Amino acid sequence: DAKTTQPNSMESNEEEPVHLPCNHSTISGTDYIHWYRQLPSQGPEYVIHGLTSNVNNRMASLAIAEDRKSSTLILHRATLRDAAVYYCILRYGNTPLVFGKGTRLSVIA
Amino acid sequence: DSGVTQTPKHLITATGQRVTLRCSPRSGDLSVYWYQQSLDQGLQFLIQYYNGEERAKGNILERFSAQQFPDLHSELNLSSLELGDSALYFCASNPGLAGTDTQYFGPGTRLTVL
Repeated sequence: DAKTTQPNSMESNEEEPVHLPCNHSTISGTDYIHWYRQLPSQGPEYVIHGLTSNVNNRMASLAIAEDRKSSTLILHRATLRDAAVYYCILRYGNTPLVFGKGTRLSVIA
Repeated sequence: DSGVTQTPKHLITATGQRVTLRCSPRSGDLSVYWYQQSLDQGLQFLIQYYNGEERAKGNILERFSAQQFPDLHSELNLSSLELGDSALYFCASNPGLAGTDTQYFGPGTRLTVL
């Protein structure tokens, strides 16, 4: 499985933007970049995914480097509810998700 | 609420016992995935079923088995339980048709083996 590298933890102030980086230098042309997050005491939940172009949805934005070897999940205004572990996952087809250790995001009021 | 339900929420049992965890996927979803989350191993994929057939296998022990029934609900059976099997077990579902289908996770079953 292709691997991703994320910082272990990050901290943000409430209502400020957060940029969560992910490196995936061995990504193949058919791998989609998926982001999931896991809030405390809950199951993982989907955040966003993309292939080559930047993507936006109601939860976040995904910025993908031109060479696709890295990507950044952007939360435009962090809230306390965004405190979670964020997982960057490469996925080919409808395959199971391979979770790494993710980035634990803390949001300070 | 993801639409995926799991029962029971909590399960406490003794070593050597056998338990069954149940998952009801979202309405219309044909694919069910089981994941285990432990403190030392993180979130790990166990097994996937699609419309009643096993589709993919991950790090699932031989003591564990699963099945998906005609009504699409799934059960994960864990036998000869050991202390190390204590973990959160998540079920996820998706339509299973497209390569970019999002997986929707249930709230999990917390298993404690004493």
